[in-house]
Amino acid sequence: RKEVEQDPGPFNVPEGATVAFNCTYSNSASQSFFWYRQDCRKEPKLLMSVYSSGNEDGRFTAQLNRASQYISLLIRDSKLSDSATYLCVVSYLGGFKTIFGAGTRLFVKA
Amino acid sequence: DTEVTQTPKHLVMGMTNKKSLKCEQHMGHRAMYWYKQKAKKPPELMFVYSYEKLSINESVPSRFSPECPNSSLLNLHLHALQPEDSALYLCASSLILGNEQFFGPGTRLTVL
Repeated sequence: RKEVEQDPGPFNVPEGATVAFNCTYSNSASQSFFWYRQDCRKEPKLLMSVYSSGNEDGRFTAQLNRASQYISLLIRDSKLSDSATYLCVVSYLGGFKTIFGAGTRLFVKA
Repeated sequence: DTEVTQTPKHLVMGMTNKKSLKCEQHMGHRAMYWYKQKAKKPPELMFVYSYEKLSINESVPSRFSPECPNSSLLNLHLHALQPEDSALYLCASSLILGNEQFFGPGTRLTVL
């Protein structure tokens, strides 16, 4: 079993749609959680950190469920510019270990 | 200054060459990282420096040799690479270990 698992997609959605991604992790000692987006042939860019209480940044909402060991990302009112690969990232051992999920590909179409 | 810079952007080298990749940040971050990313795969952690000390080596072959001359600079020395080492090499930094990481644009390496 992979340490961090994501549905690879692709997710094809129309503009304005709401889309949700899930990510599961296997190490119960995981401490920090993040969502990154990566455009083709570019570096990953931090989208948001994920906190236990859940957090929101504009159209993006992230949730953490420690009991079930998963994190989620909700994108509301999708824009064409949201088309990218979304990477779930988990960190543990005080940050010595950082594991990326394989990524979920999102295509938003007009 | 809120960015991580990497040089060169592209590098082509033969299997007998020695080259170095450079990474720099001026955000006062004390943790710096090297990742390797193959096409259509996620980044894989290679090395982590925390307060200029190598903190972890993810079983990377010795033909890759990291160096952290000071808190702002990170180098990756390359020697006797193989064609399968061709990849995007990404540098990242974070305030401290475990915090959000900020990535440089990467060096696209091709080994002939």
